[in-house]
Amino acid sequence: EVQLVESGGGLVQPGGSLRLSCAASGFTFSTAWMSWLRHLPGRGLMSVSQIDPHGIRRDYADSVKGRFTISRDNAKNTVYLQMNSLRVEDTAVYYCITDVWGPQYWGQGTLVTVSS
Amino acid sequence: DIVMTQTPLSSPVTLGQPASISCRSSQSLVHSNGNTYLSWHQQRPGQPPRLLIYEISNRFSGVPDRFSGSGAGTEFTLKISRVEAEDVGIYYCTQGTQYPHTFGQGTKLEIK
Repeated sequence: EVQLVESGGGLVQPGGSLRLSCAASGFTFSTAWMSWLRHLPGRGLMSVSQIDPHGIRRDYADSVKGRFTISRDNAKNTVYLQMNSLRVEDTAVYYCITDVWGPQYWGQGTLVTVSS
Repeated sequence: DIVMTQTPLSSPVTLGQPASISCRSSQSLVHSNGNTYLSWHQQRPGQPPRLLIYEISNRFSGVPDRFSGSGAGTEFTLKISRVEAEDVGIYYCTQGTQYPHTFGQGTKLEIK
């Protein structure tokens, strides 16, 4: 059974940082594209970042470029999202997904709240 | 970015009756490899989304056959042949042809 378990969300002040983690199991992680999506209140779902199986190709939504960094550790079956310079508008539920030309399996999500 | 537009945004349906959701993309979703990466996802209340249909019309593992997808190019449809109580939730179409993957606004399916 495929499982994606996100962690690391929480309350942070504007300008602060958070690191999200997604522990994967039930499939061959080292051959899978992985992505982070977010669900913004009242604004729907949007892509945040994706990473190829080797961690070489990384893509970002324009709204997070230069602030967020995606990475992965294939030995630990884990993908990360380092979020810096957080803004109020980054408040959302963040989902980790297996990316097979779009979302395939979804994690449960982790809530990030950016507020003073 | 490719814009995905769903209609209707809300769909009250009688149990046992069919339901249909449309999705239009701002440009063709046909990839250079010939495939069309349009998928449908269901989000039940209190749960994360889950994949129902991929590449227009392929049901994902465990998805009941009352769900079907169709379409081509820029126009796509999700149909539920006979709505059941467990189908209540929000449905999203998604394109994976171009990054960033983009999503429709969501269609809320509710029982009359």
